[in-house]
Amino acid sequence: QQQVKQSPQSLIVQKGGISIINCAYENTAFDYFPWYQQFPGKGPALLIAIRPDVSEKKEGRFTISFNKSAKQFSLHIMDSQPGDSATYFCAASGFGNEKLTFGTGTRLTIIP
Amino acid sequence: EAGVTQSPTHLIKTRGQQATLRCSPISGHTSVYWYQQALGLGLQFLLWYDEGEERNRGNFPPRFSGRQFPNYSSELNVNALELEDSALYLCASSLEPTNQPQHFGDGTRLSIL
Repeated sequence: QQQVKQSPQSLIVQKGGISIINCAYENTAFDYFPWYQQFPGKGPALLIAIRPDVSEKKEGRFTISFNKSAKQFSLHIMDSQPGDSATYFCAASGFGNEKLTFGTGTRLTIIP
Repeated sequence: EAGVTQSPTHLIKTRGQQATLRCSPISGHTSVYWYQQALGLGLQFLLWYDEGEERNRGNFPPRFSGRQFPNYSSELNVNALELEDSALYLCASSLEPTNQPQHFGDGTRLSIL
């Protein structure tokens, strides 16, 4: 029940396209859903996060869509750029259980 | 503002030895979290410290332990090292326990020979 399932495992998108990464969770006690971006040799960097009281959050080219009834959330990267090539992790945590449970990651490659 | 800093960057040990990894949180952050990122296994929660106390631990054996100091820095100790302990160990900090987000350091790469 603590799992967060992430797909796809890898993704290749053309420059200027939309990158979409999906995650699903089972634990209804989760109330915080961040996305992290990780470059080789670096730690994960917080990209954007959402709580269940909203269905969408946008920051620049990055948008989280959240579907509480389906227990799914996704990251959309608009106008994808080569600099966006990295591994992306979704995660979830719940009040009183502040550890982050991570998805298995998506390696995103943006090609010219 | 300085981010989360971890030391050393790389650590090479042999089986059976002990390893000590260190973490300095962002100034003002009281909670420190440790995660293991093994190849192909994603990030797994190890330990959470707040105000000097261990608040939660993940599904790891007792040879993984740590502590948090009065200045909120933390260290992770791994005893009786095994080959499968080879991984990137990441430290994160947050302003307070219920106030996400968690900000990560760049990790310590632990290699067991």
